[in-house]
Amino acid sequence: AQSVAQPEDQVNVAEGNPLTVKCTYSVSGNPYLFWYVQYPNRGLQFLLKYITGDNLVKGSYGFEAEFNKSQTSFHLKKPSALVSDSALYFCAVRDDTSQGGKLIFGQGTELSVKP
Amino acid sequence: DAGVTQSPTHLIKTRGQHVTLRCSPISGHKSVSWYQQVLGQGPQFIFQYYEKEERGRGNFPDRFSARQFPNYSSELNVNALLLGDSALYLCASSLRSLAGANVLTFGAGSRLTVL
Repeated sequence: AQSVAQPEDQVNVAEGNPLTVKCTYSVSGNPYLFWYVQYPNRGLQFLLKYITGDNLVKGSYGFEAEFNKSQTSFHLKKPSALVSDSALYFCAVRDDTSQGGKLIFGQGTELSVKP
Repeated sequence: DAGVTQSPTHLIKTRGQHVTLRCSPISGHKSVSWYQQVLGQGPQFIFQYYEKEERGRGNFPDRFSARQFPNYSSELNVNALLLGDSALYLCASSLRSLAGANVLTFGAGSRLTVL
């Protein structure tokens, strides 16, 4: 079965420092991976996706993610964190075993960026 | 352009009651998906509809049902509410069925509290 895991419930970073939010995946076949962000009392906003091609994917708001097939990871990164990046981040994998497909989400990682 | 709109934004029900949640997809999007997000967890897939036909169903009891209308809007119905149904219900739309590189765009959600 397709799954993703986010091993850290919370990540704390100082403003201006680089940040990493970790995600590992388990899929049969080629993985289609996504990162979404959720601000308080809001829906999920799409950040970036990996379908195929370059292992370094660039997304919205300066975020990027590195796909590593050998480590089955898809970590979210940003070179310099902002206080406004504080939010809940979800990694997801698309499950094509059912008709139409669906996203399977991780448990989420709360990112806190302090000034 | 309007994004995915959901109504109501908040509602309180008592156990045993019925609830209807509504979703309007982005103009031109023909696929609508529903997800349940319990506090502290990642979203879980409930249903996907494409061109008014059910294309996927998650592991939810028959108390949960949905439909898609000719204008591609959708309703999620939950009967005989239980305390455990308290959650944020997210609607998402995409251009087509979730195959290929299609990305889900989420609404802000309907927060249901069951007392």
